[in-house]
Amino acid sequence: QKEVEQDPGPLSVPEGAIVSLNCTYSNSAFQYFMWYRQYSRKGPELLMYTYSSGNKEDGRFTAQVDKSSKYISLFIRDSQPSDSATYLCALSSGSARQLTFGSGTQLTVLP
Amino acid sequence: EAGVTQFPSHSVIEKGQTVTLRCDPISGHDNLYWYRRVMGKEIKFLLHFVKESKQDESGMPNNRFLAERTGGTYSTLKVQPAELEDSGVYFCASSQEYRPSGGASRDTQYFGPGTRLTVL
Repeated sequence: QKEVEQDPGPLSVPEGAIVSLNCTYSNSAFQYFMWYRQYSRKGPELLMYTYSSGNKEDGRFTAQVDKSSKYISLFIRDSQPSDSATYLCALSSGSARQLTFGSGTQLTVLP
Repeated sequence: EAGVTQFPSHSVIEKGQTVTLRCDPISGHDNLYWYRRVMGKEIKFLLHFVKESKQDESGMPNNRFLAERTGGTYSTLKVQPAELEDSGVYFCASSQEYRPSGGASRDTQYFGPGTRLTVL
């Protein structure tokens, strides 16, 4: 069983839609939860960072962490074609520690 | 400020040959990480340097892989001899500081564009 499960998609939505991306995990030692965005032929770029449970909002992006359910989510409001990318959840058990990634969800926002 | 750079961007070699990948982290970043993504799989951790020391090499697949970080600046990852299953994208990441106690530092890992390795 993988430590982090993420639906690979692909996910295709119309412009302006709300997008929901999710990961589940099994290791309760994870304390840091991140979402990275990766465009084709580029490296992952940090989008959202959350420590422990709760919600965090940054513009059109909201990250949620529910440690009791071992479930994390990323919501994208008013999605744009420029949001088309692969979204990766990444988890860590501590600061300056290795990241454990989900497999990534490929998102396409259609104009 | 320049980001993490990796060289080469793409390498095609034959099975049994040697390849050396290079990573230049963001200036002043003590932490340097190597990750790998093989086809159809998730990105997986290989190892972590703090300055010039290997902090965690639990992800290194076998002794055909050798990583170095001389002087705590750039790092190289050598694969010798390369096998077919080594094909994939090798990412390097760096972050700013190391706190052994864990602390509350926001240890953002900045990734390079990756080196795509193809072993034929």
